[in-house]
Amino acid sequence: QVQLQESGPGLVEPSGTLSLTCAVSGGSISSNWWSWVRQPPGKGLEWIAEIYHNGDTNYNPSLRSRVTISVDKSKNQFSLKLTSVTSADTAVYYCAGNGYYAIDYWGQGTLVTVSS
Amino acid sequence: QSALTQPASVSGSPGQSVTISCTGTSSDVGSSTHVSWYQHHPGKAPKLLIYEGTKRPSGVSDRFSGSKSDNTASLTISGLQAEDEADYYCCPYAGSITFYVFGPGTKVTVL
Repeated sequence: QVQLQESGPGLVEPSGTLSLTCAVSGGSISSNWWSWVRQPPGKGLEWIAEIYHNGDTNYNPSLRSRVTISVDKSKNQFSLKLTSVTSADTAVYYCAGNGYYAIDYWGQGTLVTVSS
Repeated sequence: QSALTQPASVSGSPGQSVTISCTGTSSDVGSSTHVSWYQHHPGKAPKLLIYEGTKRPSGVSDRFSGSKSDNTASLTISGLQAEDEADYYCCPYAGSITFYVFGPGTKVTVL
């Protein structure tokens, strides 16, 4: 059974860069598309981006200019970078594995707060 | 802010059925055969309930069913149980420009 674990700083300063990594265990990162999804406090889910093991990527148009998603097959993990963050980027960030045009399985999520 | 519309909340007594609608446009729900639904208990990881509009992943109770008509997708929970109290999100795959678009979510309360 594939398990996902997010890691990264829980606090980022305004205008800084949010960086998160998702470790994939129990399966190969070469088997799927992989996504990042976030949920701001009190709000709904928002899809951020997805990546395939060969490096192909897709991005939410509203975040595209600030987001980079990458994959490291040697470490069986993928990562998210979000630049120029503001308080609006405070959220629980989930990494996830895609199924057939759906988000099949999810990590537990990690809260990232943007504050000085 | 989501371009999709879901009721903010629905409620029902144990054993009853509730239906959650997800209304979009011909550019998302109406044109997508790839509508998925998710259950989210606060503080936990979301769970995929329905994909391809009507299909259930292995292990998902058959009390959950999905359908679609024109620009509206629906999730029905039959035989409502206390553990069904959660937030539910629809998510059509809206093509190679907008990709995955989540609805605003519906809170289900079991009375």
